[in-house]
Amino acid sequence: EAQVTQNPRYLITVTGKKLTVTCSQNMNHEYMSWYRQDPGLGLRQIYYSMNVEVTDKGDVPEGYKVSRKEKRNFPLILESPSPNQTSLYFCASSPGQGRSYGYTFGSGTRLTVV
Amino acid sequence: QQQVKQSPQSLIVQKGGIPIINCAYENTAFDYFPWYQQFPGKGPALLIAIRPDVSEKKEGRFTISFNKSAKQFSLHIMDSQPGDSATYFCAGKNSGNTPLVFGKGTRLSVIA
Repeated sequence: EAQVTQNPRYLITVTGKKLTVTCSQNMNHEYMSWYRQDPGLGLRQIYYSMNVEVTDKGDVPEGYKVSRKEKRNFPLILESPSPNQTSLYFCASSPGQGRSYGYTFGSGTRLTVV
Repeated sequence: QQQVKQSPQSLIVQKGGIPIINCAYENTAFDYFPWYQQFPGKGPALLIAIRPDVSEKKEGRFTISFNKSAKQFSLHIMDSQPGDSATYFCAGKNSGNTPLVFGKGTRLSVIA
């Protein structure tokens, strides 16, 4: 089944403790992206990647890092999480950013930072 | 500006009614306008999309109306059902290497 898989689904952590949220897609998509969803603010893009070793900042990149060493994986790294990063996170992929293909989203990771 | 403005923020309709969600965009280079549907606990899923060379697109009970001169587009849900209760996002992008720009979402509740 074609899908985007995120792990974990739920995560509670403490301020300052480094964490990684994994994202993997099995569709050979070139484009991958991370979003956070907060009430009243919609989907805000954190980082995106147009291909292996190519990443760029979205609208809200502060406090986050990403890497794209393989085409299928695009982990989101929070080096020193803070409570304002408590949110619902989604990973998405698309066949190619330059063309108007739909995005496939993962099921989300609900992160709580205390 | 890259914004896509979506309204209303929330909407309650009775079963069988026709909810309408509106979006306005600023970037005239946008040439692809999708709508996404998100159920609680799930990621958004592509529902229907339109390009600006047509004024309307229909898929089942879902219709997009597009007004290029006004830079507006809207989603209509015919004969709405309680199962349509979800959050709906509009979006826009151009054909270049730029991200999809989302509206802030509309939470729709269809009551029986």
